[in-house]
Amino acid sequence: DADVTQTPRNRITKTGKRIMLECSQTKGHDRMYWYRQDPGLGLRLIYYSFDVKDINKGEISDGYSVSRQAQAKFSLSLESAIPNQTALYFCATSNVGNQPQHFGDGTRLSIL
Amino acid sequence: LAKTTQPISMDSYEGQEVNITCSHNNIATNDYITWYQQFPSQGPRFIIQGYKTKVTNEVASLFIPADRKSSTLSLPRVSLSDTAVYYCLVGPPGYSNASKIIFGSGTRLSIQP
Repeated sequence: DADVTQTPRNRITKTGKRIMLECSQTKGHDRMYWYRQDPGLGLRLIYYSFDVKDINKGEISDGYSVSRQAQAKFSLSLESAIPNQTALYFCATSNVGNQPQHFGDGTRLSIL
Repeated sequence: LAKTTQPISMDSYEGQEVNITCSHNNIATNDYITWYQQFPSQGPRFIIQGYKTKVTNEVASLFIPADRKSSTLSLPRVSLSDTAVYYCLVGPPGYSNASKIIFGSGTRLSIQP
Protein backbone atom coordinates (compact mmCIF):
# COMPACT_ATOMS: atom_id res chain seq x y z
CA ASP A 1 0.00 0.00 0.00
CA ALA A 2 1.77 3.16 -1.22
CA ASP A 3 0.03 5.19 1.48
CA VAL A 4 2.21 3.49 4.08
CA THR A 5 5.91 3.92 3.28
CA GLN A 6 8.72 2.11 5.02
CA THR A 7 12.38 3.04 4.79
CA PRO A 8 14.76 1.48 4.15
CA ARG A 9 13.36 -1.47 2.19
CA ASN A 10 16.47 -3.52 2.83
CA ARG A 11 19.25 -3.19 5.39
CA ILE A 12 22.25 -5.30 6.23
CA THR A 13 24.15 -4.43 9.37
CA LYS A 14 26.38 -5.87 12.05
CA THR A 15 25.72 -7.11 15.55
CA GLY A 16 25.72 -4.31 18.13
CA LYS A 17 24.78 -1.53 15.74
CA ARG A 18 21.85 0.79 16.40
CA ILE A 19 19.22 0.59 13.69
CA MET A 20 16.20 2.74 13.01
CA LEU A 21 13.37 1.72 10.71
CA GLU A 22 11.00 4.43 9.66
CA CYS A 23 7.36 4.41 8.72
CA SER A 24 5.30 7.26 7.34
CA GLN A 25 1.68 7.31 6.25
CA THR A 26 -0.57 9.58 4.26
CA LYS A 27 -3.82 7.84 5.21
CA GLY A 28 -4.53 10.18 8.11
CA HIS A 29 -4.91 7.23 10.48
CA ASP A 30 -4.34 7.70 14.20
CA ARG A 31 -3.24 4.14 14.90
CA MET A 32 0.11 2.70 13.88
CA TYR A 33 1.75 -0.68 14.47
CA TRP A 34 5.06 -2.44 14.05
CA TYR A 35 5.16 -6.18 13.28
CA ARG A 36 7.90 -8.66 12.76
CA GLN A 37 7.58 -11.60 10.36
CA ASP A 38 9.73 -14.71 10.57
CA PRO A 39 9.38 -17.67 8.22
CA GLY A 40 6.62 -20.01 9.38
CA LEU A 41 5.61 -17.81 12.31
CA GLY A 42 3.26 -15.31 10.72
CA LEU A 43 3.32 -11.75 12.03
CA ARG A 44 3.99 -10.82 15.62
CA LEU A 45 3.20 -7.44 17.11
CA ILE A 46 6.17 -5.47 18.50
CA TYR A 47 4.67 -2.09 19.46
CA TYR A 48 1.61 -0.07 18.68
CA SER A 49 0.44 3.51 19.10
CA PHE A 50 -3.13 4.80 19.08
CA ASP A 51 -2.12 8.46 18.95
CA VAL A 52 0.94 10.66 19.21
CA LYS A 53 1.12 10.44 23.00
CA ASP A 54 0.31 6.75 23.22
CA ILE A 55 2.86 3.91 23.04
CA ASN A 56 2.09 0.29 23.94
CA LYS A 57 4.11 -2.90 24.00
CA GLY A 58 3.05 -5.81 21.88
CA GLU A 59 3.84 -9.48 22.10
CA ILE A 60 7.59 -9.20 21.46
CA SER A 61 8.83 -5.73 22.51
CA ASP A 62 12.08 -6.78 24.21
CA GLY A 63 15.10 -5.41 22.35
CA TYR A 64 13.05 -2.80 20.51
CA SER A 65 11.90 0.76 21.13
CA VAL A 66 9.62 3.09 19.19
CA SER A 67 8.98 6.76 18.71
CA ARG A 68 5.79 8.38 17.44
CA GLN A 69 7.14 11.67 16.14
CA ALA A 70 3.87 12.80 14.59
CA GLN A 71 0.53 11.35 13.58
CA ALA A 72 2.07 10.29 10.30
CA LYS A 73 5.40 8.93 11.55
CA PHE A 74 6.25 5.92 13.69
CA SER A 75 9.82 4.66 13.91
CA LEU A 76 11.20 1.41 15.29
CA SER A 77 14.67 1.22 16.81
CA LEU A 78 16.95 -1.65 17.63
CA GLU A 79 19.36 -0.20 20.18
CA SER A 80 21.93 -2.95 19.83
CA ALA A 81 21.07 -5.31 17.02
CA ILE A 82 21.55 -9.05 17.41
CA PRO A 83 21.38 -11.77 14.72
CA ASN A 84 18.05 -13.22 15.90
CA GLN A 85 16.42 -9.89 15.07
CA THR A 86 16.99 -10.71 11.41
CA ALA A 87 13.48 -10.65 9.99
CA LEU A 88 10.99 -8.85 7.79
CA TYR A 89 9.47 -5.85 9.56
CA PHE A 90 6.10 -4.37 8.70
CA CYS A 91 4.45 -1.13 9.67
CA ALA A 92 0.68 -0.89 9.59
CA THR A 93 -1.96 1.75 10.22
CA SER A 94 -5.64 1.68 11.02
CA ASN A 95 -8.42 4.09 11.66
CA VAL A 96 -10.54 4.15 14.78
CA GLY A 97 -13.44 1.77 14.97
CA ASN A 98 -13.53 -1.69 13.48
CA GLN A 99 -11.35 -0.92 10.47
CA PRO A 100 -8.75 -3.19 8.88
CA GLN A 101 -5.06 -2.51 9.05
CA HIS A 102 -3.12 -1.16 6.06
CA PHE A 103 0.42 -2.44 5.73
CA GLY A 104 3.57 -1.07 4.17
CA ASP A 105 5.70 -3.28 1.95
CA GLY A 106 8.17 -4.12 4.67
CA THR A 107 11.82 -3.70 5.59
CA ARG A 108 14.04 -6.73 5.19
CA LEU A 109 16.66 -6.51 7.95
CA SER A 110 19.70 -8.77 8.13
CA ILE A 111 22.02 -8.65 11.11
CA LEU A 112 25.36 -10.34 10.69
CA LEU B 1 -4.93 -15.22 23.90
CA ALA B 2 -6.91 -16.71 21.06
CA LYS B 3 -4.45 -18.85 19.13
CA THR B 4 -5.26 -19.59 15.51
CA THR B 5 -4.42 -22.68 13.48
CA GLN B 6 -4.47 -22.91 9.70
CA PRO B 7 -3.29 -25.50 7.18
CA ILE B 8 0.29 -24.81 6.15
CA SER B 9 -0.42 -25.12 2.45
CA MET B 10 -3.14 -25.87 -0.09
CA ASP B 11 -3.14 -26.52 -3.82
CA SER B 12 -5.93 -25.98 -6.31
CA TYR B 13 -6.62 -25.23 -9.96
CA GLU B 14 -7.89 -22.23 -11.83
CA GLY B 15 -11.66 -21.90 -11.79
CA GLN B 16 -12.12 -23.94 -8.63
CA GLU B 17 -13.59 -22.75 -5.35
CA VAL B 18 -11.07 -22.79 -2.51
CA ASN B 19 -11.99 -22.97 1.15
CA ILE B 20 -9.38 -22.25 3.83
CA THR B 21 -10.33 -23.00 7.41
CA CYS B 22 -8.91 -21.34 10.51
CA SER B 23 -9.36 -22.80 13.97
CA HIS B 24 -9.62 -20.41 16.93
CA ASN B 25 -10.95 -22.41 19.85
CA ASN B 26 -10.28 -19.71 22.46
CA ILE B 27 -11.85 -16.80 20.63
CA ALA B 28 -13.19 -14.15 23.01
CA THR B 29 -16.78 -12.98 22.98
CA ASN B 30 -15.97 -9.63 21.40
CA ASP B 31 -13.24 -10.81 18.99
CA TYR B 32 -13.64 -10.32 15.26
CA ILE B 33 -12.13 -12.55 12.58
CA THR B 34 -10.19 -10.94 9.77
CA TRP B 35 -8.45 -12.46 6.76
CA TYR B 36 -5.47 -10.98 4.96
CA GLN B 37 -3.68 -11.91 1.73
CA GLN B 38 0.05 -11.51 1.27
CA PHE B 39 2.11 -11.66 -1.91
CA PRO B 40 5.91 -12.00 -1.87
CA SER B 41 7.73 -8.76 -1.01
CA GLN B 42 4.48 -7.04 -0.07
CA GLY B 43 2.63 -6.33 3.13
CA PRO B 44 -0.58 -8.18 4.00
CA ARG B 45 -3.73 -6.85 2.36
CA PHE B 46 -7.20 -6.96 3.91
CA ILE B 47 -9.67 -9.39 2.33
CA ILE B 48 -12.68 -9.73 4.60
CA GLN B 49 -13.82 -9.43 8.21
CA GLY B 50 -16.71 -10.89 10.19
CA TYR B 51 -18.11 -11.64 13.61
CA LYS B 52 -20.67 -14.38 13.01
CA THR B 53 -22.64 -16.21 10.30
CA LYS B 54 -21.69 -15.21 6.78
CA VAL B 55 -20.07 -12.18 5.22
CA THR B 56 -19.58 -11.69 1.50
CA ASN B 57 -17.78 -9.05 -0.51
CA GLU B 58 -16.61 -8.76 -4.10
CA VAL B 59 -13.63 -11.08 -3.65
CA ALA B 60 -14.52 -13.63 -0.95
CA SER B 61 -16.97 -15.03 1.55
CA LEU B 62 -16.39 -15.73 5.21
CA PHE B 63 -18.36 -18.42 7.00
CA ILE B 64 -18.42 -18.45 10.80
CA PRO B 65 -20.39 -21.17 12.64
CA ALA B 66 -22.48 -20.42 15.68
CA ASP B 67 -19.81 -21.48 18.16
CA ARG B 68 -17.26 -19.20 16.40
CA LYS B 69 -14.44 -21.66 17.13
CA SER B 70 -13.49 -21.74 13.48
CA SER B 71 -13.98 -19.75 10.31
CA THR B 72 -13.71 -20.54 6.61
CA LEU B 73 -12.51 -18.20 3.92
CA SER B 74 -14.06 -19.07 0.57
CA LEU B 75 -12.49 -17.87 -2.68
CA PRO B 76 -14.79 -18.47 -5.66
CA ARG B 77 -13.30 -19.43 -9.03
CA VAL B 78 -9.66 -18.83 -8.19
CA SER B 79 -7.09 -17.69 -10.74
CA LEU B 80 -3.31 -17.86 -10.86
CA SER B 81 -3.16 -14.41 -9.27
CA ASP B 82 -4.74 -15.80 -6.10
CA THR B 83 -1.50 -17.66 -5.37
CA ALA B 84 -0.45 -16.09 -2.07
CA VAL B 85 -0.29 -16.63 1.67
CA TYR B 86 -3.57 -16.16 3.53
CA TYR B 87 -3.64 -15.16 7.19
CA CYS B 88 -6.43 -15.52 9.69
CA LEU B 89 -6.45 -12.85 12.39
CA VAL B 90 -8.47 -12.82 15.60
CA GLY B 91 -8.73 -9.73 17.74
CA PRO B 92 -10.96 -7.26 19.55
CA PRO B 93 -13.05 -4.80 17.57
CA GLY B 94 -11.15 -1.78 16.42
CA TYR B 95 -7.99 -3.41 17.77
CA SER B 96 -8.96 -1.72 21.04
CA ASN B 97 -6.47 -3.92 22.79
CA ALA B 98 -3.93 -4.49 20.06
CA SER B 99 -1.74 -6.65 22.27
CA LYS B 100 -4.42 -9.33 21.89
CA ILE B 101 -4.19 -9.40 18.09
CA ILE B 102 -3.02 -12.82 16.97
CA PHE B 103 -2.04 -13.61 13.41
CA GLY B 104 -2.13 -17.21 12.29
CA SER B 105 0.96 -18.72 10.68
CA GLY B 106 -0.70 -18.48 7.31
CA THR B 107 -1.79 -20.84 4.55
CA ARG B 108 0.27 -20.89 1.39
CA LEU B 109 -2.20 -21.29 -1.47
CA SER B 110 -0.85 -22.39 -4.81
CA ILE B 111 -3.06 -22.25 -7.90
CA GLN B 112 -2.15 -24.28 -10.95
CA PRO B 113 -3.36 -23.76 -14.54
